Amino acid sequence: GAGVSQSPSNKVTEKGKDVELRCDPISGHTALYWYRQSLGQGLEFLIYFQGNSAPDKSGLPSDRFSAERTGGSVSTLTIQRTQQEDSAVYLCASSLGVSAGGSTDTQYFGPGTRLTVL
Amino acid sequence: EDQVTQSPEALRLQEGESSSLNCSYTVSGLRGLFWYRQDPGKGPEFLFTLYSAGEEKEKERLKATLTKKESFLHITAPKPEDSATYLCRLLSGGSYIPTFGRGTSLIVHP
Repeated sequence: GAGVSQSPSNKVTEKGKDVELRCDPISGHTALYWYRQSLGQGLEFLIYFQGNSAPDKSGLPSDRFSAERTGGSVSTLTIQRTQQEDSAVYLCASSLGVSAGGSTDTQYFGPGTRLTVL
Repeated sequence: EDQVTQSPEALRLQEGESSSLNCSYTVSGLRGLFWYRQDPGKGPEFLFTLYSAGEEKEKERLKATLTKKESFLHITAPKPEDSATYLCRLLSGGSYIPTFGRGTSLIVHP
């Protein structure tokens, strides 16, 4: 079926505005990850959802960042009161989930949302 | 704390000039080491998973190998279309949180 999709592909916003980024994972994938990738930097983990368990929010950089996953499928990452340092590409990935490790945790990435905060 | 270091940061090759990318790691119980390819403006694309030292995987001109301390991605007779950033990622027994290296940017000149 279809791969991971993200919307919008590009978002330009003004400092102080709120933004919502959307991720549609691969159907049947129970695990969903959000990452941030700044220019020339590696992937920075933000948040992890696994099934109906409470999400692991340990990577969120501040309380301006939040995410939810409705019905175990679509996820939304919200950034409130955006700052210029929030400018980056936000990537979403999904996998079948980490059980005994192995191929079930192969993550498939979406194309990302490029966020620019002016 | 799990750590991943990729080297070199950037690599320029002539078409046909074979080379290797390195991913060194320290981890509390390796459950998997993953290699990805990322083209500009796109999300990472999965290439290989390695689970234990001595394991090797191949795909076209790419071959990934794993020891207890590092993994290599060997590129044999590269072509310009192999130009991309190659990312290494760990999955450890201590955490579900993946650890990515910063990547190696590969440019292959025709």
